[in-house]
Amino acid sequence: AQSVSQHNHHVILSEAASLELGCNYSYGGTVNLFWYVQYPGQHLQLLLKYFSGDPLVKGIKGFEAEFIKSKFSFNLRKPSVQWSDTAEYFCAVNPNRDDKIIFGKGTRLHILP
Amino acid sequence: DSGVTQTPKHLITATGQRVTLRCSPRSGDLSVYWYQQSLDQGLQFLIQYYNGEERAKGNILERFSAQQFPDLHSELNLSSLELGDSALYFCASSVSVLGRNTGELFFGEGSRLTVL
Repeated sequence: AQSVSQHNHHVILSEAASLELGCNYSYGGTVNLFWYVQYPGQHLQLLLKYFSGDPLVKGIKGFEAEFIKSKFSFNLRKPSVQWSDTAEYFCAVNPNRDDKIIFGKGTRLHILP
Repeated sequence: DSGVTQTPKHLITATGQRVTLRCSPRSGDLSVYWYQQSLDQGLQFLIQYYNGEERAKGNILERFSAQQFPDLHSELNLSSLELGDSALYFCASSVSVLGRNTGELFFGEGSRLTVL
């Protein structure tokens, strides 16, 4: 079945550590790709997006993601995390640029001060 | 503040009952999405409307229905409620360009439904 997979369900890091969260999708064709973040007690908000062009996209708060078409991946990275990055992170795919936007199950990130 | 408003924020009801969740999209957004978030299933896409018409359907149960009204607000109706329907229900509106959704969503704060 077509899906979006986030391999890490729960990640714990210390401040200043580097972060990489994996996201793979199984849709063929053209896709729009997104990472959303949900801070504790808040609604989901967009972190970054990829529509076309440079496969390395930069988002808010120092996050970036790389689209690797051959691997059907869109991994999220941050070189040095902060305690305030504690949140749940969701990868999302808009397959074939239709109206469905499918989310992965999320990764809970906990940063130790 | 995303500009998307959802009511009620919390709702407690009993099995077999029916509830209605309401969503007002951001000003100017024509598209409304509904998602169900639970611990074991993550964020499940339910249904999407664009300017009053249903555009896409996901894993929405037959006991659930939705509509989008001429003023663009949307309602999600959940009936014959079961314990497993307890979840956080999110509404989101989407930026559209030339009638096509970009996929960029703006979420409301959600309606937490507890079925006892």
